[in-house]
Amino acid sequence: DSGVTQTPKHLITATGQRVTLRCSPRSGDLSVYWYQQSLDQGLQFLIQYYNGEERAKGNILERFSAQQFPDLHSELNLSSLELGDSALYFCASSGKSEANYGYTFGSGTRLTVV
Amino acid sequence: GQNIDQPTEMTATEGAIVQINCTYQTSGFNGLFWYQQHAGEAPTFLSYNVLDGLEEKGRFSSFLSRSKGYSYLLLKELQMKDSASYLCAVRDGNQAGTALIFGKGTTLSVSS
Repeated sequence: DSGVTQTPKHLITATGQRVTLRCSPRSGDLSVYWYQQSLDQGLQFLIQYYNGEERAKGNILERFSAQQFPDLHSELNLSSLELGDSALYFCASSGKSEANYGYTFGSGTRLTVV
Repeated sequence: GQNIDQPTEMTATEGAIVQINCTYQTSGFNGLFWYQQHAGEAPTFLSYNVLDGLEEKGRFSSFLSRSKGYSYLLLKELQMKDSASYLCAVRDGNQAGTALIFGKGTTLSVSS
């Protein structure tokens, strides 16, 4: 157990729908990062939050949004889903001990859009 | 922008040594990380380099040359369980945040 918890593990939904992915960071970590991993693209950085505020944006589509709550858990909202959004979505967290532990990843949510 | 290059695939035999190279071009630099990822699983942290030189951790070592934009991961005494994808990631110091930018990964196959 890495200490980063992601739910759900699997999600199957239809095109045009909206889903919410949830992430609880490792205890004490203030930064949360969302990544998308598809077969041909590798791990793509989507967005980062630090202590409740958006810190950096990567290749995140306008149909996607995220937020980090006061208890530091984060949610990634994906709307108007398309077949191409099928991928593994990872959340990672980091804190002061990153030299020893790096950025810690959750086990991911596998999203299948049908 | 950022560009991180790694070989797509490598093969090796049990007990051997393998070196996985990574070259990067970023507007800033604030650390390089190596991760191991088995298919369908989460990436797991292997090593971190921010200064030039070699960092050793058991069977795994990582080297960094900032002036050359180059790193390698060295795996010794290979075992079958080392068959996985190895991801090089750079933290771009000029970014407003501190997100890691990943290369596409090197798939290592270890055979007996």
